[in-house]
Amino acid sequence: DTGVSQNPRHKITKRGQNVTFRCDPISEHNRLYWYRQTLGQGPEFLTYFQNEAQLEKSRLLSDRFSAERPKGSFSTLEIQRTEQGDSAMYLCASTSRDGAGREQYFGPGTRLTVT
Amino acid sequence: QKEVEQNSGPLSVPEGAIASLNCTYSDRVSQSFFWYRQYSGKSPELIMSIYSNGDKEDGRFTAQLNKASQYVSLLIRDSQPSDSATYLCAVKVQGAQKLVFGQGTRLTINP
Repeated sequence: DTGVSQNPRHKITKRGQNVTFRCDPISEHNRLYWYRQTLGQGPEFLTYFQNEAQLEKSRLLSDRFSAERPKGSFSTLEIQRTEQGDSAMYLCASTSRDGAGREQYFGPGTRLTVT
Repeated sequence: QKEVEQNSGPLSVPEGAIASLNCTYSDRVSQSFFWYRQYSGKSPELIMSIYSNGDKEDGRFTAQLNKASQYVSLLIRDSQPSDSATYLCAVKVQGAQKLVFGQGTRLTINP
């Protein structure tokens, strides 16, 4: 396993622009999660996929946020009309289908700065 | 009341001593508990998981779980300067897939 990968690692954008992040989970992990982390806080859950189905979404995921996992492999998270409050680290995690699939492994994250 | 609570620290421990990190949670149906280590500017790294009451040891790390008291802790023996990081406690509630994190405890090991 090469681990969870995320791209880009850093993104600086102007307020009002759209941004898209990509996450490639650990090979054959069928469960994929997106979290957001702001400075001094723990990660906060955004959404969860099992294969290609988006099964859970947080209230934090406003209508400006959308996530997809079209073929059950990589996932994208798009933020439309970015706001300064969207500045955060966006983390992707994955877990396997084995056992209870409890342990989540994080990628390196995408740090978003909205100016 | 926050779902998962940790003392934000900073917690300062001399090198070679035992570092003790604590976490309490509010949801009684929580079933899985995790400790992540996060270095500044990096993503969380899973270091321990524990699912049943009692102690679980892995090298210098020991996780302790007391479901009756809704309390989970992490002990780091023979602390090293490289253990200096923020330690995040995470809880998975039965029937849910998401992890709920505490705000983390910042640990500093002094040489």
